Amino acid sequence: DAGITQSPRYKITETGRQVTLMCHQTWSHSYMFWYRQDLGHGLRLIYYSAAADITDKGEVPDGYVVSRSKTENFPLTLESATRSQTSVYFCASKASFSGNTIYFGEGSWLTVV
Amino acid sequence: SQELEQSPQSLIVQEGKNLTINCTSSKTLYGLYWYKQKYGEGLIFLMMLQKGGEEKSHEKITAKLDEKKQQSSLHITASQPSHAGIYLCGADITNAGNMLTFGGGTRLMVKP
Repeated sequence: DAGITQSPRYKITETGRQVTLMCHQTWSHSYMFWYRQDLGHGLRLIYYSAAADITDKGEVPDGYVVSRSKTENFPLTLESATRSQTSVYFCASKASFSGNTIYFGEGSWLTVV
Repeated sequence: SQELEQSPQSLIVQEGKNLTINCTSSKTLYGLYWYKQKYGEGLIFLMMLQKGGEEKSHEKITAKLDEKKQQSSLHITASQPSHAGIYLCGADITNAGNMLTFGGGTRLMVKP
């Protein structure tokens, strides 16, 4: 049972480069989320998706792009990475019938230099 | 999130001692979720509370929801080194039923 997997787990990139973080879930959950976790800010929602081809902004969407062409995948793209986007990124998912219990991936550590 | 405040921010306890972590919301709670995170890992779901007065336990961890105070507490009895980590509360404060807002987390260290 793979659950929810993120890749890469660790990434160092340069300012201005495009970076894509991948997220894949095997549960066929309808909802998927991207959060970032920073010291002093806790977990903040970047984008979420209620179903394939449906995405919505969260609390901190600027500088990020998402897509959801397939239910199981929800990639997050930083079009032009900035140092302020150095963070730990968590992908998460939930089934539409399970209340609000969200299940998280292991996280992707991104450093922008 | 300023909408969800956790206290304390960090806690160091001696193994065997009891401890309590609080999560207070500035908005109405439509559901309260507790997660545990170990450094370098993802969040592990612990418990969900939805009704005022509800109390749930798992092994030595008990969570309660005080709907009137818009607050939840997480209590660990006879703490062990395995309890160390970051505890996060997440809440549905929109009643939209599709996302959680998280508190800043409580970092727990248990000294053997």
